[in-house]
Amino acid sequence: DQQVKQNSPSLSVQEGRISILNCDYTNSMFDYFLWYKKYPAEGPTFLISISSIKDKNEDGRFTVFLNKSAKHLSLHIVPSQPGDSAVYFCAASDSRDDKIIFGKGTRLHILP
Amino acid sequence: DAGVTQSPTHLIKTRGQQVTLRCSPKSGHDTVSWYQQALGQGPQFIFQYYEEEERQRGNFPDRFSGHQFPNYSSELNVNALLLGDSALYLCASRDARGGYTFGSGTRLTVV
Repeated sequence: DQQVKQNSPSLSVQEGRISILNCDYTNSMFDYFLWYKKYPAEGPTFLISISSIKDKNEDGRFTVFLNKSAKHLSLHIVPSQPGDSAVYFCAASDSRDDKIIFGKGTRLHILP
Repeated sequence: DAGVTQSPTHLIKTRGQQVTLRCSPKSGHDTVSWYQQALGQGPQFIFQYYEEEERQRGNFPDRFSGHQFPNYSSELNVNALLLGDSALYLCASRDARGGYTFGSGTRLTVV
């Protein structure tokens, strides 16, 4: 039972263009959503988050959008840079407990 | 600040054996969670420790157990290893206010 779904295993984007990573969730009790970035041989690194009371959160080149009615969120990276090549995990949590539920990840390749 | 440190980085064990993985949380962090990341999957929550007690547990069998010490460091123990236990095991820590910081993980291979 996959509560957080990332349906694109990989994505290739030209350097300088916008990268859009998508994520769907099924549990309506999730009220906090996170994106993590992972390089090989390293642990996941927190990137950006959004509370369910918001529909957008922006931090530099990274923006996360939340559509609660569709149970969908997306991460926009603009402009994309070579160092953005990594695996991106969408994750969600319910404030009633402390565990984070992760998607399977999307591998982003930024092409020169 | 050393962040979250895990040891060992890599480990090879035989089916049926037992393994202990170790985690030192980031300085000032008192809550530790363990995750299992199988190949091609996202991390899956195993359990969480706070004040030396297991506070939450994911959908993992009793073969998976843990411990937290007074200095907040933690161990993950897996008994009767199966081939399917081969994975990257991640430790994450946080304090009362902040989000989780993840370690680089221990790569366990069961043969």
